[in-house]
Amino acid sequence: NAGVTQTPKFRVLKTGQSMTLLCAQDMNHEYMYWYRQDPGMGLRLIHYSVGEGTTAKGEVPDGYNVSRLKKQNFLLGLESAAPSQTSVYFCASRTEQVGGYSNQPQHFGDGTRLSIL
Amino acid sequence: KQEVTQIPAALSVPEGENLVLNCSFTDSAIYNLQWFRQDPGKGLTSLLLIQSSQREQTSGRLNASLDKSSGRSTLYIAASQPGDSATYLCAVHTGTASKLTFGTGTRLQVTL
Repeated sequence: NAGVTQTPKFRVLKTGQSMTLLCAQDMNHEYMYWYRQDPGMGLRLIHYSVGEGTTAKGEVPDGYNVSRLKKQNFLLGLESAAPSQTSVYFCASRTEQVGGYSNQPQHFGDGTRLSIL
Repeated sequence: KQEVTQIPAALSVPEGENLVLNCSFTDSAIYNLQWFRQDPGKGLTSLLLIQSSQREQTSGRLNASLDKSSGRSTLYIAASQPGDSATYLCAVHTGTASKLTFGTGTRLQVTL
């Protein structure tokens, strides 16, 4: 049971470098999300997608871009990394609601620990 | 803007004790509330989801209640065990696309 898989698990970047974080889910979920988790601030939504080919901004989207070219994958890009983007990044996915009720939980990956020097 | 607060931030209890974790939110117009568990260095595991029309949900030794009108939820853990040691997060679903707003968590330690 793979569920939600994030790649890589750890990464160290220098300021100004770019990189892409990959999230893959094998549950055929429609909705996918990228969060960042910082000490004392909880998880904050960066971007999300309600289906293949769609993306939308969350609470803290600046400095990040996303793409959802395939239903099972959701990519998070940092074009020019900054020290303020040092964080733990989590991807999550969720299936559509059943019976019109908001009764489906989000499923999370194990996170990517990113340090920017 | 929805804000979610969890009290206490940290809690240490001896094994076998029953305990309550608290979560409060400022906007009562929620669709559901979720409780998650997070182990160190790991992702989040969904424990319970309470829909806005429900008052409580139970899973094993866990019981979560929801009082939407007062903006409060509690997670009750019965007969705590060392394996329950983790950070517990609550999150509320408001708006479209199931976007969640998280609290900062309660770090629980259950001692022998």
